[in-house]
Amino acid sequence: AQRVTQPEKLLSVFKGAPVELKCNYSYSGSPELFWYVQYSRQRLQLLLRHISRESIKGFTADLNKGETSFHLKKPFAQEEDSAMYYCALRGATNKLIFGTGTLLAVQP
Amino acid sequence: EAGVAQSPRYKIIEKRQSVAFWCNPISGHATLYWYQQILGQGPKLLIQFQNNGVVDDSQLPKDRFSAERLKGVDSTLKIQPAKLEDSAVYLCASSLDLGRAQETQYFGPGTRLLVL
Repeated sequence: AQRVTQPEKLLSVFKGAPVELKCNYSYSGSPELFWYVQYSRQRLQLLLRHISRESIKGFTADLNKGETSFHLKKPFAQEEDSAMYYCALRGATNKLIFGTGTLLAVQP
Repeated sequence: EAGVAQSPRYKIIEKRQSVAFWCNPISGHATLYWYQQILGQGPKLLIQFQNNGVVDDSQLPKDRFSAERLKGVDSTLKIQPAKLEDSAVYLCASSLDLGRAQETQYFGPGTRLLVL
């Protein structure tokens, strides 16, 4: 079965603290994983994809096939990072399978 | 470039009524997706079009939901008759080409449906 699990509904941190948003997946085959973000009153948008190995807005995510994880990390959180974050798996036909999302709240 | 457009933004109906949502994808995007996002959950694919053909409608409740993309551009999603559990945000997304790996999907603002 293809599934994405985000165990935390809410993650609250203080500005400047490290952030780790957890994502685990279930997929038979070579997975393609993404992080999408939705800021308040904005539309869902791509943050980063594992194949690019890029850092966007200070966020990185490494695919760990042994642990079937794709956790999103940032060393120093900023208030503007507060948003809803969704981990997604690319399934057959290019459709996205989303997790339930984690709300990141960065306190001043 | 203009993003994915959706209308209406909000809709309130009573159960057993019908409702239709409209989506205009980014110009030139061949693939169009409709997702349903129930409160507290991630988006779930309902139907996917490549040009005007259906690629995947395995999770579309076909007894009440229908969708079309007649000219391979705009799309309409219809619910008839609506049930209380259809209350959700309906998201439309588009991407340039189905066949390319890691193809980015661009999302519209969504239509928030409340069924009373």
